[in-house]
Amino acid sequence: ETGVTQTPRHLVMGMTNKKSLKCEQHLGHNAMYWYKQSAKKPLELMFVYSLEERVENNSVPSRFSPECPNSSHLFLHLHTLQPEDSALYLCASSQAGTTSGDTQYFGPGTRLTVL
Amino acid sequence: DAKTTQPNSMESNEEEPVHLPCNHSTISGTDYIHWYRQLPSQGPEYVIHGLTSNVNNRMASLAIAEDRKSSTLILHRATLRDAAVYYCILSGGSNYKLTFGKGTLLTVNP
Repeated sequence: ETGVTQTPRHLVMGMTNKKSLKCEQHLGHNAMYWYKQSAKKPLELMFVYSLEERVENNSVPSRFSPECPNSSHLFLHLHTLQPEDSALYLCASSQAGTTSGDTQYFGPGTRLTVL
Repeated sequence: DAKTTQPNSMESNEEEPVHLPCNHSTISGTDYIHWYRQLPSQGPEYVIHGLTSNVNNRMASLAIAEDRKSSTLILHRATLRDAAVYYCILSGGSNYKLTFGKGTLLTVNP
């Protein structure tokens, strides 16, 4: 397995469900990211973890809860979501700390539909 | 974050060169110019980045204006698989963020 993988690729959930999205990177990077891409809108950065510590939380509602147990894995725990949370959720990783700005490598995304 | 301006859409014919422009008049001295692309139903993919000098890799070339206020991504021979949204982003120094705009939707005609 190479690059950045995400599971599941598709998820349909009700507003009362609890689910988790998983991301794994096989690139030896030390930073991981969650982005949200809603229909016809630019990608929005949600969370950033660097060296397993959260360094960015872009005013994301508490119904989204990230977890980074180690530098290779990133989770996004979901509970009591709203239909407007339906979107493509993308994970990325990078080697933080380079002067050229981090080149980020993205996974294929999880397409989430909230009913 | 310094902003970039790109055309909403461009069209090209297969096997012809494509020049995708980006304006970034407020670029700072430490900002690198990054290009990513997003194919349909996929996550974004890194294409190329540079600071001052023109850059080439297997995917594309990046031409940077002398005053660095604009740049052009060059696809030397467009293929149908190059149809995607192309994003021009400024990042560098301690800034780990990539701020995505709307990008340029490139259509490649057979």
